[in-house]
Amino acid sequence: QKEVEQNSGPLSVPEGAIASLNCTYSDRGSQSFFWYRQYSGKSPELIMFIYSNGDKEDGRFTAQLNKASQYVSLLIRDSQPSDSATYLCAVNNAGNMLTFGGGTRLMVKP
Amino acid sequence: DTEVTQTPKHLVMGMTNKKSLKCEQHMGHRAMYWYKQKAKKPPELMFVYSYEKLSINESVPSRFSPECPNSSLLNLHLHALQPEDSALYLCASSQPSTGRIAEAFFGQGTRLTVV
Repeated sequence: QKEVEQNSGPLSVPEGAIASLNCTYSDRGSQSFFWYRQYSGKSPELIMFIYSNGDKEDGRFTAQLNKASQYVSLLIRDSQPSDSATYLCAVNNAGNMLTFGGGTRLMVKP
Repeated sequence: DTEVTQTPKHLVMGMTNKKSLKCEQHMGHRAMYWYKQKAKKPPELMFVYSYEKLSINESVPSRFSPECPNSSLLNLHLHALQPEDSALYLCASSQPSTGRIAEAFFGQGTRLTVV
């Protein structure tokens, strides 16, 4: 069973702080990793993707990938209340197939 | 334009009804997906079409029947559903790529209620 694991949270951070979201995966053959943000009642929105080991930055978001440890993370700097949502980690296992983690609910408190 | 359009946004149907969900994208993507999402759960893959051919069927009951008429359109035909099939049905598309998957973009979903 190819699994993607996330802490369900809620992860609560104060406004302006850094939020750190983590994800582990079981399939060493996974090649592509994605972070989606999903507001309640809405569809997932792609916010970051990463293919190579290391960091990838886009605005306030940084994705980090460590294939040796089978670990991918998302950092959100200067967190805002509007960042409060569920963050889904998704992994490409084989072909055109994404496997999602259970999601982490983030709450940013003013 | 990274838009995937799904219709209808909401659907209420009886267990004896036949209905269809529709999905359209004009990004030139050649992989399209149906996902089902229950409340507070992650999306679960149902079907994948790659170059208009069904490539993955995740053991979905036959009361769900996908169709890909062309590279821009994806349908999901529904018949004799059960109340437990009530969920958010999500369509997504991506550009298939050897060895890795390009970014998948989701439509806004169809909220289905089976009564």
